[in-house]
Amino acid sequence: SQQGEEDPQALSIQEGENATMNCSYKTSINNLQWYRQNSGRGLVHLILIRSNEREKHSGRLRVTLDTSKKSSSLLITASRAADTASYFCATDTGRRALTFGSGTRLQVQP
Amino acid sequence: DGGITQSPKYLFRKEGQNVTLSCEQNLNHDAMYWYRQDPGQGLRLIYYSQIVNDFQKGDIAEGYSVSREKKESFPLTVTSAQKNPTAFYLCASRSTGTKSETQYFGPGTRLLVL
Repeated sequence: SQQGEEDPQALSIQEGENATMNCSYKTSINNLQWYRQNSGRGLVHLILIRSNEREKHSGRLRVTLDTSKKSSSLLITASRAADTASYFCATDTGRRALTFGSGTRLQVQP
Repeated sequence: DGGITQSPKYLFRKEGQNVTLSCEQNLNHDAMYWYRQDPGQGLRLIYYSQIVNDFQKGDIAEGYSVSREKKESFPLTVTSAQKNPTAFYLCASRSTGTKSETQYFGPGTRLLVL
């Protein structure tokens, strides 16, 4: 079953604009992670936020977590054409494996 | 050069044939995972292993089998019982230490049915 669901499914923006993706989940978590996938490639870990954290930054990435609403958002500032990829949230409940959402496909137009 | 390797990059299966996808890691990770990804979809867990000689079914294990005889290796066999095997298969690994929650992924194997 899909624990995380991303919104929107697809996003197209111009280079230099900010991109915001949202993730909702259903059960209590230990942490939430965001991964990036270039077309036809494996996933690359971007950032992890723990359940007791509300906001985290890494370079041009900003992640927020609202455990009361069971939701997270990923903001990519000043987007570049190279940011074009699919972005997945994944929840860690402390059991077995991460559970991944269906992803947001981001297209950054140069 | 540490990481996870998967082979082959592309694999073609004939009807009724079993095929095996390779996954090797030199990260000294205890846990390994197999996911299936269909076009435009997220990842679904097939099997996972937390330790050598032990593995557990994920959400979509039917038609698949695995083994974990060595820490470094976690091969996945797609059997003839899997009626719709065309997909992108991703292997991942993770350390089971207390500060190690990140999964590391291989480059994937695309399986196509002839």
